[in-house]
Amino acid sequence: GENVEQHPSTLSVQEGDSAVIKCTYSDSASNYFPWYKQELGKRPQLIIDIRSNVGEKKDQRIAVTLNKTAKHFSLHITETQPEDSAVYFCAASRTGGYNKLIFGAGTRLAVHP
Amino acid sequence: ETGVTQTPRHLVMGMTNKKSLKCEQHLGHNAMYWYKQSAKKPLELMFVYSLEERVENNSVPSRFSPECPNSSHLFLHLHTLQPEDSALYLCASSQDITAQETQYFGPGTRLLVL
Repeated sequence: GENVEQHPSTLSVQEGDSAVIKCTYSDSASNYFPWYKQELGKRPQLIIDIRSNVGEKKDQRIAVTLNKTAKHFSLHITETQPEDSAVYFCAASRTGGYNKLIFGAGTRLAVHP
Repeated sequence: ETGVTQTPRHLVMGMTNKKSLKCEQHLGHNAMYWYKQSAKKPLELMFVYSLEERVENNSVPSRFSPECPNSSHLFLHLHTLQPEDSALYLCASSQDITAQETQYFGPGTRLLVL
């Protein structure tokens, strides 16, 4: 069935370093890839998304890249700050049918001062 | 209140109890979702509603019973649950059921089944 693999499951970086989280999807018809951030005890919130007609998208310190041929997409956070510490979830969905997101298992990012 | 709200935020129940989770969205959205979030596992979609009509029941056991009386409210009725049902239950909404619409999540209900 459809699934999304996410790596690593945990990531620890020093403040100011970059962090990269990678996801691989199985459904070749997937064409929408959002990323959610969930801080401890808080709700998941959309931080960035990308559609299959775009290879890269940036928003300040975060960027997402998409390789449709390889069926993988990545989240890049530059100049990490302690407030970036959270669990990050990638997801994938396809056009048609209803708004069904297939989520990865999450990456727990810890940014140490 | 703004966005998506959920009550209660925490719930402890025995396996023979009956309880209900409530979700309310103040965004004027037409689609609502229930997800189960267990530790170190992907969010699992349970139910999807569009304009109060159930669109998806993702092979969820009958001990979970959803109800959507209007497009702003969504309930999850629980009865005779098992300890493995302990998890964070998240509600979400989106403008409509169309693919690629952003889903906005509530804060969740942390459920513990004893």
